[in-house]
Amino acid sequence: EIVLTQSPATLSLSPGERATLSCRASESLSSYLGWYQQKPGQAPRLLIYGASSRATGIPDRFSGSGSGTDFTLTISRLEPEDSAVYYCQHYARSPRTFGQGTKVEIK
Amino acid sequence: QLQLLESGPGLVKPSETLSLTCTVSGGSISTSDYYWGWIRQPPGKGLEWIGSIFYTGSTYYRSSLKSRVTISVDTSKNQFSLKLSSVTAADTALYYCARQNDCFDPWGQGTLVTVSS
Repeated sequence: EIVLTQSPATLSLSPGERATLSCRASESLSSYLGWYQQKPGQAPRLLIYGASSRATGIPDRFSGSGSGTDFTLTISRLEPEDSAVYYCQHYARSPRTFGQGTKVEIK
Repeated sequence: QLQLLESGPGLVKPSETLSLTCTVSGGSISTSDYYWGWIRQPPGKGLEWIGSIFYTGSTYYRSSLKSRVTISVDTSKNQFSLKLSSVTAADTALYYCARQNDCFDPWGQGTLVTVSS
């Protein structure tokens, strides 16, 4: 199965700063990658699909980029409510797998 | 808007079968546009896709769980279900159902299933 490796494990930043999260795949995914946000006690919420397309209702401070094996989720100006764990997930083939997550902490 | 809600026992004994149902509201499960999936999350850990079903009953499962998993659909009730047999403590997790296109969206709120005697 395809392994997704996310880095860093934890990111601690101040409001207004830029967050850059990485997801690296063990083989090429083309652009078949999504990003999710999960806050404590909540289900994951889809942020990005197709590596760079924002899901409905997602603020434009969230953006995705990359293709092949290297992908990035960028939060341009952090807000306190962005504190969460962020997961990448591929859909290049079965089984769909998730990365282990990056925790974003707001100072 | 589309909503999904998981239901089922919160406690299952080791070696028994875990059974959960996902009820879909605000839209029909009988659509050719989507699959419907189950995903689980052990406490404090990451996400693992279990399997998915089309409204016709066509299924595909994670290979490591395939021998123990059955996913079925009841279009008359707008529901799909998960059965996981021979459970152990390693199956303790928050179980989510979700609509699946390429990604999973939206998700149910999740239901915690604990495997313990």
